Amino acid sequence: QSVLTQPPSVSAAPGQEVTISCSGSDSNIGNNFVSWYQQLPGTAPKLLIYDDDERPSGIPDRFSGSKSGTSATLDITGLQTGDEADYYCGTWDSTLTAVVFGGGTTLTVL
Amino acid sequence: EVQLVESGGGLVQPGGSLKLSCAASGFSFSGATMHWVRQAPGKGLEWIGRIRSRANNFATTYAASMQGRFTISRDDSQTTAFLQLNSLAPEDTAVYYCARRPTTGTFRLDWGLGTLVTVSS
Repeated sequence: QSVLTQPPSVSAAPGQEVTISCSGSDSNIGNNFVSWYQQLPGTAPKLLIYDDDERPSGIPDRFSGSKSGTSATLDITGLQTGDEADYYCGTWDSTLTAVVFGGGTTLTVL
Repeated sequence: EVQLVESGGGLVQPGGSLKLSCAASGFSFSGATMHWVRQAPGKGLEWIGRIRSRANNFATTYAASMQGRFTISRDDSQTTAFLQLNSLAPEDTAVYYCARRPTTGTFRLDWGLGTLVTVSS
C-alpha cells in the first residue's frame, strides 16, 4: 500500500485532456514539494514536474502540475499516443523521513 | 547534461551479495544528495535510501524495510555512488535506479537508466 494515493489508470482520446490525482497527508504533500515522473514502457522514470508546478527544460507546456492542501494534480492537455506511460507522484515525508511515491497511474490514449 | 549510469547488476543466488555503482557526470556531484530507488517487475517505485553531501556529513537515511541489509556510500573523487546489497532474497529482484537531488531546497529526482538485479537459484 503506497503512502500517496493515485488512481490505477486513466484514459482519454488523442487531443483531449486528462488529470491524474495524488493524495497524501500533512506529513508529505501538505508540507513538502511534489514532483511527477513519466515512465514510458521499458524505460527509466523521467522528471516531468518538480516543486509542485515547475517544468524542467525540454518538457512541453502540455504538462502542468498543481497542489492544494494535501493533494497534487498532474494535468496533460493535447494528448498524444506517445504520452501512454505510467505516471508517478513523489515527495518527501517528514514523519517517515523518507521519499514516498504514489502507486502509479497508467495512462491510455484511446 | 546530467548523466547517471548504474552498473553491477546481475544474477545472484538467495543469500548472496552485490555492490551496485552509479557513475555520475554533468553536474556538481559533491553537492548533490544521491538516492537509490528500485522497481520490481510489474510493480511501482520503491525508495531505498539516500546519502547526503559532505556538507551534511554524508548522512544516510533508509526506508524502514531496507534498514540493515542495504548500505549506501559515495566516493566524491570518483563521482560515484554505491549500493551494497546483502542477504538478498527473491523478492529483491528488481531494476535498481540511482537518482540525484540537486539541493535540499527543491524536490526533484533526475534518474539513471537502472541496472537489473535477479535473485534466483
